[in-house]
Amino acid sequence: AQSVTQLGSHVSVSEGALVLLRCNYSSSVPPYLFWYVQYPNQGLQLLLKYTTGATLVKGINGFEAEFKKSETSFHLTKPSAHMSDAAEYFCAVSDGADTDKLIFGTGTRLQVFP
Amino acid sequence: GAGVSQSPSNKVTEKGKDVELRCDPISGHTALYWYRQSLGQGLEFLIYFQGNSAPDKSGLPSDRFSAERTGGSVSTLTIQRTQQEDSAVYLCASSPGALETQYFGPGTRLLVL
Repeated sequence: AQSVTQLGSHVSVSEGALVLLRCNYSSSVPPYLFWYVQYPNQGLQLLLKYTTGATLVKGINGFEAEFKKSETSFHLTKPSAHMSDAAEYFCAVSDGADTDKLIFGTGTRLQVFP
Repeated sequence: GAGVSQSPSNKVTEKGKDVELRCDPISGHTALYWYRQSLGQGLEFLIYFQGNSAPDKSGLPSDRFSAERTGGSVSTLTIQRTQQEDSAVYLCASSPGALETQYFGPGTRLLVL
């Protein structure tokens, strides 16, 4: 069975600092990996996804993530945080081959301080 | 174009009542998904429709939950004899096809008193 672990339910950074949100997955088949963001009182929005090919994936709003098979990780980074990045971030996995349903991590709430 | 829409945006009901939640997917999207977001359980998959195939119901928590998709478009999630633990935000998503990006609606916030 697939699963996703997000380390740290809350992350706080200063504006301009590096953002690093951790995600590790478990999958018996090559995974499809996703990061979604949820702003307050809004729906989920796709930040980026990895399916095949290049392991460094660039997404919207300056975010990127790198698929590391050896570490079973898909950490999300942004070089310089902005106040508008404050939101909840969800990592998700699907096996891509057999089923389309997303298995989500428990989420990480990002706070950005001025 | 228009995104995924869900109605109602908020629903308050009494324990034991039935509720219906509606999802209008993006036009032309053949795949439709229901998820539930609750404090205790995080984001959970409920059910998945793809074209005319039999739906994947593997995530439905009990037989009080059911969903249908009429004409390959609008979907209704029905919860019978609601319980307090059903209180959650119910999210709908659609995608152009299998293995494509899922686009989420704003959700329906259900509160069972």
